[in-house]
Order: sequence, then C-alpha cells, then structure tokens
Amino acid sequence: ETGVTQTPRHLVMGMTNKKSLKCEQHLGHNAMYWYKQSAKKPLELMFVYNFKEQTENNSVPSRFSPECPNSSHLFLHLHTLQPEDSALYLCASSQDEVGGSHRREEQFFGPGTRLTVL
Amino acid sequence: SQKIEQNSEALNIQEGKTATLTCNYTNYSPAYLQWYRQDPGRGPVFLLLIRENEKEKRKERLKVTFDTTLKQSLFHITASQPADSATYLCASYNYGQNFVFGPGTRLSVLP
Repeated sequence: ETGVTQTPRHLVMGMTNKKSLKCEQHLGHNAMYWYKQSAKKPLELMFVYNFKEQTENNSVPSRFSPECPNSSHLFLHLHTLQPEDSALYLCASSQDEVGGSHRREEQFFGPGTRLTVL
Repeated sequence: SQKIEQNSEALNIQEGKTATLTCNYTNYSPAYLQWYRQDPGRGPVFLLLIRENEKEKRKERLKVTFDTTLKQSLFHITASQPADSATYLCASYNYGQNFVFGPGTRLSVLP
C-alpha cells in the first residue's frame, strides 16, 4: 500500500452519466494530482492542487471537473464523457516545499480507477 | 516542449542477466530524474531519484546513471528475476514545473 487510495477501482458509464472519482491520501502531503493513462501513451498530467488550491489545469476539457475540499481528499467529477476518455485515472500525492525552488520529490500513486465510457 | 523518450517499448531478457533501460530527454535540463515501476492495473511505484549533479545511484540490485552531456539516464537491474517483470517509467522534473513522464519500457524476465 502506498498510502493513497482510490475509489471506485473500476467504473463503466454511459456518455450521459455523471460520476465522481475519489482519492484520499493518508501521508500528510500538501500536493495532489490527477493523471490520465491511456494505452501506449505516457502519463498525462490533468490537474495539480497545492494546499487545496488548483495550480495546474493542463488544458483538460470541461467535462472533467476537479474538487479538493481539503489536503487529504481529491475528487474528479465526470460529466458527458466520450469513449476516448476511457483510460486508467491515477491520483498521486507529494510533499512540496513552498517558496524558493518549490521542490517536488517522489510522488505516491494510488491504484487507479479503470474507466470505460460506452 | 519538454519530452522524455524511452528507447524500447518492450525488452526481453533471460533470468540472471542485467537489464538496461534507457531514458532520453530533449530541449531542457531537468533538475532530477526518477524511475518508477508499474505493474498491470496498478499505479506507479517510486524506485530511485538521481539529481543533475549526481553520476550514479544504487539501491540493492538497482543502479541508475545520469549523463547530462548525452541527456540520458540508464536504469540497470542486475541479477534479474521474473518478479522484476513490469513496466518501468522514467520521469523528469524541473523546479517550479511538473513531472514529465516517458511512455515506459515493458520488461519481461524469462525464466
């Protein structure tokens, strides 16, 4: 166990559904991330939150909506997705130093949610 | 834009041999590089980090090198075992920016 949990592990949804992915980290980290991993493609960074504030939105379509209510929890709300959005969605956390070099060390990943959009 | 390339999509080696995986970066100079292991259906797990001013790092049977002239990192697994079979990801980081991951190399260690 890495200290990062994700639910659900598997999700099948239609294009008109609304669903949410949940991530929780038990490591006391101050940064959390959403990544998308499609077959034969590198991990794609979607969103970054530092101290509950969104600091990165990597040109993600508005049908993906993140929410970070506190430093331990991260959600990804899904609405009217497309079949090409089917992928493994990974949550990660890290402990960042704020100010100066803003160093980021290793990231701890959750097991991922395997999403299939029909 | 920053980009990480991992030369082999897949690598097959015989048990007991040394596996060598390659990571190349272009158009920038990362502050450090990381290597992660990912098993099917699981999230990546951190293995090693090497900084730009370090030439080599070791951890048990793992060794990673960083050559800033060649813009390359090599990841070695000595005395490889079937349990080492997985996908290995290289990631780079620059201060004030985010991680950039390579596509990964799928390693198969044959008994």
